[in-house]
Amino acid sequence: GAVVSQHPSWVICKSGTSVKIECRSLDFQATTMFWYRQFPKQSLMLMATSNEGSKATYEQGVEKDKFLINHASLTLSTLTVTSAHPEDSSFYICSARDASTYEQYFGPGTRLTVT
Amino acid sequence: AQKITQTQPGMFVQEKEAVTLDCTYDTSDPSYGLFWYKQPSSGEMIFLIYQGSYDQQNATEGRYSLNFQKARKSANLVISASQLGDSAMYFCAMREGRGGSNYQLTFGKGTLLTVNP
Repeated sequence: GAVVSQHPSWVICKSGTSVKIECRSLDFQATTMFWYRQFPKQSLMLMATSNEGSKATYEQGVEKDKFLINHASLTLSTLTVTSAHPEDSSFYICSARDASTYEQYFGPGTRLTVT
Repeated sequence: AQKITQTQPGMFVQEKEAVTLDCTYDTSDPSYGLFWYKQPSSGEMIFLIYQGSYDQQNATEGRYSLNFQKARKSANLVISASQLGDSAMYFCAMREGRGGSNYQLTFGKGTLLTVNP
């Protein structure tokens, strides 16, 4: 089946630094990728939708200058958390939509801890 | 209004018994899809089962079946013969429409299932 990878799987960073999370579709092309955020014992909250070669569409309340999304190729999207603060600590999950089938596949997630 | 409602924050079931996890949805789009995902403590989202709005029969995948009642807008997940490894968070999700940029999943709040030995 289709595989989506995320890197890193977990990261600890200091407050004020930036962290980049990569999401890759390994065996299919993804014109659209989604970034979710999940707090402990809560549901997935859609942060933004990224389309290859164009600007991401952010959900209401998500700071686009803080959460930079780049979808430069059909297999890679990145989420950069800029000037991270402890409240940005969360589980970030990406999913990629297969361009040919429209099926959506999830990455394994990245656990971010900001100290 | 919430598009996906899961009213059971937590459920307990005895090993080898069946359990039903509730999900109701709200949409005016005649074309939609309903999904169930399992999320163990590791965090990965595991796809379990899918039901399309035009599917005539209830979906089944091994021990998982989806009790689809379209008129009541419910899509309950039934897990038969529960196993200890079924202990996890379960999310119901909906995708509306047939395609296009708004073809995204909306998740319910989830149900934490605990299987007791």
